[in-house]
Amino acid sequence: DAMVIQNPRYQVTQFGKPVTLSCSQTLNHNVMYWYQQKSSQAPKLLFHYYDKDFNNEADTPDNFQSRRPNTSFCFLDIRSPGLGDAAMYLCATSRRDSLNEKLFFGSGTQLSVL
Amino acid sequence: SQQGEEDPQALSIQEGENATMNCSYKTSINNLQWYRQNSGRGLVHLILIRSNEREKHSGRLRVTLDTSKKSSSLLITASRAADTASYFCATDATGGFKTIFGAGTRLFVKA
Repeated sequence: DAMVIQNPRYQVTQFGKPVTLSCSQTLNHNVMYWYQQKSSQAPKLLFHYYDKDFNNEADTPDNFQSRRPNTSFCFLDIRSPGLGDAAMYLCATSRRDSLNEKLFFGSGTQLSVL
Repeated sequence: SQQGEEDPQALSIQEGENATMNCSYKTSINNLQWYRQNSGRGLVHLILIRSNEREKHSGRLRVTLDTSKKSSSLLITASRAADTASYFCATDATGGFKTIFGAGTRLFVKA
């Protein structure tokens, strides 16, 4: 089945140690998103790619970076994780045309920072 | 911020009862969507209503949209224990390609 896959499901890192989360999709969607979700809160958009165009949210810390080497893959890099970066990170995709804007989500990566 | 409030923040009902959740937003929108999230999992799309629509149905779900009040409601009829989850509304602002989520309503359906 076509889907959005996030790896790993759980990630533990140390304070200040760089970490990379990955997302892949078989939907051939042109837009990919990264959301951060803390406990009992709404998903917060960090950035999104429209094809190869990167769109950063104004309040996304510089500590967060992203790469999209091709249509199928997108990575979230956290350069120096702090305790406040512990959260669920959700990848989503959508096909942006006139009729189809719904998002398809992966299962998320739960990041712990020790 | 583009997104407003959802109410209630939490809702506890008996199986078989109806559940109503409300969402408000601040800016002009292309569409409004509702998503469901089971604990510790990703979000699943439930229903999308466009800015020129007033009501939409999908199975036991009924969504209304009032653009003059910048508000929407999600009604789940004949709720089941399996409907226990968090429900989020999300909006796409006009001219944008990003989807912003509201704070969500945590629904608990007691068997």
